[in-house]
Amino acid sequence: AQSVAQPEDQVNVAEGNPLTVKCTYSVSGNPYLFWYVQYPNRGLQFLLKYITGDNLVKGSYGFEAEFNKSQTSFHLKKPSALVSDSALYFCAVRDNTNAGKSTFGDGTTLTVKP
Amino acid sequence: NAGVTQTPKFQVLKTGQSMTLQCAQDMNHEYMSWYRQDPGMGLRLIHYSVGAGITDQGEVPNGYNVSRSTTEDFPLRLLSAAPSQTSVYFCASREGGIHEQYFGPGTRLTVT
Repeated sequence: AQSVAQPEDQVNVAEGNPLTVKCTYSVSGNPYLFWYVQYPNRGLQFLLKYITGDNLVKGSYGFEAEFNKSQTSFHLKKPSALVSDSALYFCAVRDNTNAGKSTFGDGTTLTVKP
Repeated sequence: NAGVTQTPKFQVLKTGQSMTLQCAQDMNHEYMSWYRQDPGMGLRLIHYSVGAGITDQGEVPNGYNVSRSTTEDFPLRLLSAAPSQTSVYFCASREGGIHEQYFGPGTRLTVT
């Protein structure tokens, strides 16, 4: 069975500082990894994904994520946080079977303070 | 494109009542899924569909039914509502292959 762990319920950073939101995963075979963001009272929005190739993936709003196969991690990063980045972030893994069901982490609340 | 739409936005039910949450997408996506979101528990998959006429159970299917008679629509039926089904429900769709999901705005359901 596949699983995702987001070890931090909450991450607090000051505006302008770099941010990291952690994610580790477990899946059989090659992982397909995703990050989504959820703003209050909204549905989830896609940020970026890793399928294969370069371990550093760039996505929307200046976010990037680093895939590390040996550590089974896919941490979300941004060099300089904005107050508007404050939201709930979800990491997800999908298996590579035909149905391709996704499993989501429990989410990490990011708060960026001015 | 409207994307993924869900109705209603809010609903209050009494224990034992039944209802249908509607989901529609206009992107011609093959795959559609229903999730529930509970505080501190992320999103849990209820049911999903890989195409019209094909559905399967997810992680937490008990108490819910789905059908997929068209590509566009994927309704979720609560057969006999229970307080444990109080949650926010999200519908999502995606293309076949390794593509991201598009989520609807959610339905906030309270069962008293």
